[in-house]
Amino acid sequence: GEDVEQSLFLSVREGDSSVINCTYTDSSSTYLYWYKQEPGAGLQLLTYIFSNMDMKQDQRLTVLLNKKDKHLSLRIADTQTGDSAIYFCAESIDDYKLSFGAGTTVTVRA
Amino acid sequence: DSGVTQTPKHLITATGQRVTLRCSPRSGDLSVYWYQQSLDQGLQFLIQYYNGEERAKGNILERFSAQQFPDLHSELNLSSLELGDSALYFCASSPTTRASYEQYFGPGTRLTVT
Repeated sequence: GEDVEQSLFLSVREGDSSVINCTYTDSSSTYLYWYKQEPGAGLQLLTYIFSNMDMKQDQRLTVLLNKKDKHLSLRIADTQTGDSAIYFCAESIDDYKLSFGAGTTVTVRA
Repeated sequence: DSGVTQTPKHLITATGQRVTLRCSPRSGDLSVYWYQQSLDQGLQFLIQYYNGEERAKGNILERFSAQQFPDLHSELNLSSLELGDSALYFCASSPTTRASYEQYFGPGTRLTVT
């Protein structure tokens, strides 16, 4: 997805917080999403945020949205080894499809 | 488990061949979306069906086609296969036509073209 950009890799120590960043280009996107993909598995919807919100918290996950800068972030508190995966940022385009970033591979080290 | 099922899990075939991938959406979901995930293109939207009708097309090649049946399962047909068609093909479903609603993904079909 050329419209959504993410850094490709993140290494974090177990117990620390992870922050994954994403920038998007379509200011008309109504929803922005974070998906998780574990090795050999499909995409799991983690959380999403409506475009008129600044923040959404869901247990260990915090999503921050800066609509002016078209910047989205996902913070994972107390990162665990089970959080090792690829995380995709996505925006809804024209209300019928999702446009995905390239994915951020998060590696949790002991 | 998202409730979306896809078969087969893996498929190996030769160039020039034709294959059919199958998807069953979550119970009650009327929309089915197909995506292709490849190393060079990332995750790309291919096509959407809603209650049997095509609703939107993305980066789908003319050699590819899809349909959604009355029982709401969907099939993606890939023909005249080329090496570059090797990828993971995901199906997703949602209750409505709107992508702004949550989409739930199946486990994918890994297609290898040799």
